[in-house]
Amino acid sequence: GAVVSQHPSWVICKSGTSVKIECRSLDFQATTMFWYRQFPKQSLMLMATSNEGSKATYEQGVEKDKFLINHASLTLSTLTVTSAHPEDSSFYICSAILAGISYEQYFGPGTRLTVT
Amino acid sequence: KQEVTQIPAALSVPEGENLVLNCSFTDSAIYNLQWFRQDPGKGLTSLLLIQSSQREQTSGRLNASLDKSSGRSTLYIAASQPGDSATYLCAALSGYSTLTFGKGTMLLVSP
Repeated sequence: GAVVSQHPSWVICKSGTSVKIECRSLDFQATTMFWYRQFPKQSLMLMATSNEGSKATYEQGVEKDKFLINHASLTLSTLTVTSAHPEDSSFYICSAILAGISYEQYFGPGTRLTVT
Repeated sequence: KQEVTQIPAALSVPEGENLVLNCSFTDSAIYNLQWFRQDPGKGLTSLLLIQSSQREQTSGRLNASLDKSSGRSTLYIAASQPGDSATYLCAALSGYSTLTFGKGTMLLVSP
């Protein structure tokens, strides 16, 4: 149980375009989902916290107009990187909390974004 | 602000050795501490989660300890195998859901 998927697993896009990444909780309802970014040989850095039906909370230094997060249902959150630039190339990982059960976060497999 | 440090950054050992990975955190007010494994280009696999009230957790050849007062956790791997080669991350949970990660220890176990 507690499986989180991400789609796509990798994506290449041209500079200036937008790309959407999906995060789904497959077998549970997630009131809260998190988006992390990981640069090579660096740790995971929290970008934003996404609560179902409300606006996401962004960490300091993360541009909310550039990284659009939508948490429209209890099983789906999306991250859209708008007007992508090469410096946005990174590994994006989402996680989800099992609503009302515990604080443990279940992680998705990640999405590798390369902006050319 | 919570800061998590992992030592060493990289470790190379021959197969069969027992080894210890270290993790320290600056704010002892944590709910739990979790150890993950990450293979190159992959997501995270949760290995062990220690609640703040616990001292250790064990799973197979892995044993993780937690000393909240000193802000330290260790991951002990017994009888290491080449398949254990990966990056090991520790993360401290503070507040409702703030999970702070260390940079990881890259482990290479040679046959």
